[in-house]
Amino acid sequence: DGGITQSPKYLFRKEGQNVTLSCEQNLNHDAMYWYRQDPGQGLRLIYYSQIVNDFQKGDIAEGYSVSREKKESFPLTVTSAQKNPTAFYLCASSGDESGNEQFFGPGTRLTVL
Amino acid sequence: AQSVTQPDIHITVSEGASLELRCNYSYGATPYLFWYVQSPGQGLQLLLKYFSGDTLVQGIKGFEAEFKRSQSSFNLRKPSVHWSDAAEYFCAVGAYTGRRALTFGSGTRLQVQP
Repeated sequence: DGGITQSPKYLFRKEGQNVTLSCEQNLNHDAMYWYRQDPGQGLRLIYYSQIVNDFQKGDIAEGYSVSREKKESFPLTVTSAQKNPTAFYLCASSGDESGNEQFFGPGTRLTVL
Repeated sequence: AQSVTQPDIHITVSEGASLELRCNYSYGATPYLFWYVQSPGQGLQLLLKYFSGDTLVQGIKGFEAEFKRSQSSFNLRKPSVHWSDAAEYFCAVGAYTGRRALTFGSGTRLQVQP
């Protein structure tokens, strides 16, 4: 089945550690996105990539990094510089020309202990 | 830059009653508009979308939405709510040019009473 997978579903991290969240898609989509979701705030864009080997900062990129070495993969690293990393992280992809219709993965819940 | 407002944080309806969730957007031209639904701890599922054409759009699970340019609104409706519709609903706006990423509202949590 075509879709987007995110792993792990739950992730625990100690303060001061970097952690990488996985996002893989087999939809052959060019564009991929990372969002952060906090209660009562909707989804906020962290980074996005419209093509392999290229990515742009979203609205809340500080403390995060990404790479896009393969079309199907867009991993997100939450660094120790991110002050409030505990959140639900959603990955999405888009294959239409506008990049607007997005398909979402199941999410990763990150908790910093 | 575009923005989305969902004025109702939490709505409770009885099963079988009608539903309308409000969404207002701000954008300089005709936007792309979306409604997504999210069950607890899950990703988002697309309910329906508006790109152009007929302003009344039909989606999955019996939902529909109407684009009203004069009111900058894209309200979601369902004539008869089922208990399984309890979830969080997000309205989103996308742009034709520039940054090709969605801007989301803060969401409306729907509770369905038996």
